[in-house]
Amino acid sequence: GAVVSQHPSRVICKSGTSVKIECRSLDFQATTMFWYRQFPKKSLMLMATSNEGSKATYEQGVEKDKFLINHASLTLSTLTVTSAHPEDSSFYICSARGGGQARPLSTGELFFGEGSRLTVL
Amino acid sequence: AQSVAQPEDQVNVAEGNPLTVKCTYSVSGNPYLFWYVQYPNRGLQFLLKYITGDNLVKGSYGFEAEFNKSQTSFHLKKPSALVSDSALYFCAVRASHGNNRLAFGKGNQVVVIP
Repeated sequence: GAVVSQHPSRVICKSGTSVKIECRSLDFQATTMFWYRQFPKKSLMLMATSNEGSKATYEQGVEKDKFLINHASLTLSTLTVTSAHPEDSSFYICSARGGGQARPLSTGELFFGEGSRLTVL
Repeated sequence: AQSVAQPEDQVNVAEGNPLTVKCTYSVSGNPYLFWYVQYPNRGLQFLLKYITGDNLVKGSYGFEAEFNKSQTSFHLKKPSALVSDSALYFCAVRASHGNNRLAFGKGNQVVVIP
């Protein structure tokens, strides 16, 4: 099946530093990747949609200069939380929707990474 | 725009009893429907999907869901719950054509009591 790998799984950083989270599709090409944020006991909040080779599309209320997204290849998207503050502490999850010849992905099914727990001190 | 309603915050069920997690949806045109499960501090795992064909869909870990077009529902069911089924369950919908954004419900916490 399709596998999405997310790294790191946990990161603790000091306020003011930047943190990069990587999302990789391991056995398929992900033309589109999605970044979500999840608060405790809450549903997923879509932050942005990234398409390979083009700028990410951010949801309303999400600061694009704060949350930098790069989708430089068909297997890798990165989310950088710049100048992190304690309120940025959250669980960030990526997902991927493939294209091309991967049949299970043709119906829009998303495959999720394991998530990254960010704690900003 | 498509949307999903999961009316219950938490579902408690005794081990061995049937488990049902409710989901209703709203979408223009024909829906693609999905169920995902999330364990603590983990990503979402795909359970099953309805695209077309039989209304009763069977998925992973003994789960199944029934698509009911007239009631716009896609309830998740398991005949006999296990303690290990305790997790957060998300229903999601997208349109088969046009806007292909996947809309998630707020999630249901399932607690299986030994």
